[in-house]
Amino acid sequence: DAKTTQPPSMDCAEGRAANLPCNHSTISGNEYVYWYRQIHSQGPQYIIHGLKNNETNEMASLIITEDRKSSTLILPHATLRDTAVYYCIVTSGGSNYKLTFGKGTLLTVNP
Amino acid sequence: GAVVSQHPSRVICKSGTSVKIECRSLDFQATTMFWYRQFPKKSLMLMATSNEGSKATYEQGVEKDKFLINHASLTLSTLTVTSAHPEDSSFYICSARVDPNTEAFFGQGTRLTVV
Repeated sequence: DAKTTQPPSMDCAEGRAANLPCNHSTISGNEYVYWYRQIHSQGPQYIIHGLKNNETNEMASLIITEDRKSSTLILPHATLRDTAVYYCIVTSGGSNYKLTFGKGTLLTVNP
Repeated sequence: GAVVSQHPSRVICKSGTSVKIECRSLDFQATTMFWYRQFPKKSLMLMATSNEGSKATYEQGVEKDKFLINHASLTLSTLTVTSAHPEDSSFYICSARVDPNTEAFFGQGTRLTVV
């Protein structure tokens, strides 16, 4: 699976949009980009995933560049409860699906 | 999203004893389940992948005789830590997915402390 690079930490003001970047320059054509987050001492929570098109759900939006070498997770109106470690993971689908967690980005939402 | 439940959420055991952790998919049938371990201030490390009715596939460096995984049904997988030692103290997390084309959902984790 392709390796991902994320900034170790970011800050965001409550009510503002949080934009979390992820580089995955070695991604291959059949690999998806997944985003999970982990609030302290809990299991990870699925946020969103995509292959090449931008995706949006009730939690967030995922913007994938045209060359697919990077992506951005957008939380449109961050709240204090969004403070967590956010993981960007690249993996194939099907039987080769495997979520390998890197260090992620610690997003701190400030009041 | 789908619900994955782990039990117990916390367990303390004596060194040398075995501990079983259960992972259940509550509202879906999970063809594949994954077990992770997380040490303090570290990221999750995949231990093994299990498919219902077949033997688990362990990651390199994970002792299969020490961490016994059973995926006997489409809604239940168990992880047994045998002959536990203090260095096995960790946060154990399972995840499950319905089929190869869906995302995985995670349990709330089990905090194991070996004394």
